[in-house]
Amino acid sequence: GESVGLHLPTLSVQEGDNSIINCAYSNSASDYFIWYKQESGKGPQFIIDIRSNMDKRQGQRVTVLLNKTVKHLSLQIAATQPGDSAVYFCAETYTGGFKTIFGAGTRLFVKA
Amino acid sequence: DGGITQSPKYLFRKEGQNVTLSCEQNLNHDAMYWYRQDPGQGLRLIYYSQIVNDFQKGDIAEGYSVSREKKESFPLTVTSAQKNPTAFYLCASTTVGQGYTEAFFGQGTRLTVV
Repeated sequence: GESVGLHLPTLSVQEGDNSIINCAYSNSASDYFIWYKQESGKGPQFIIDIRSNMDKRQGQRVTVLLNKTVKHLSLQIAATQPGDSAVYFCAETYTGGFKTIFGAGTRLFVKA
Repeated sequence: DGGITQSPKYLFRKEGQNVTLSCEQNLNHDAMYWYRQDPGQGLRLIYYSQIVNDFQKGDIAEGYSVSREKKESFPLTVTSAQKNPTAFYLCASTTVGQGYTEAFFGQGTRLTVV
């Protein structure tokens, strides 16, 4: 949903386990959804995207799931590694739109 | 290489001063954005611009100003009216129109009031 000044939720996982990061989006008209990864002191970087006519898309070690019925998006990271430790943001936008709305973000800690 | 560049990386401001953060992109993107990020928090939209010579306020525009005289450039001025300017500032750009609009981010400017 809309990005607000809230403290980030945190997810802590053991190295090698799978991680699931969840996000609720706000606009029913949104038809593109994106996950970004932000490492400390850097700008966010694109991970994976999904269009609203899909409910699942897979990348390298990552899978995004989209449930339009409940306006929910999730990012699954397989075999989580220490380098996956970062803040993850979901974002929504729509065809022809120019304003990307970011979720509040989730901080992922990977324990070795 | 195409990309989006923010400068400086670190900026110190005395209370009562205005400072300007630079953002330049060579991606030929129409839309540009400024976000503020406080420690441990998400992104909050300050201003955005869809086209040259046009911009709109975001969620937290008070105390900030922008200009968009060129497509490639979208500088942000943090004015003395911004009561708590210490934060990490991120600039982003996207395409506009049909199709996918992934945002490309700069590496950020960390502003500290001294």
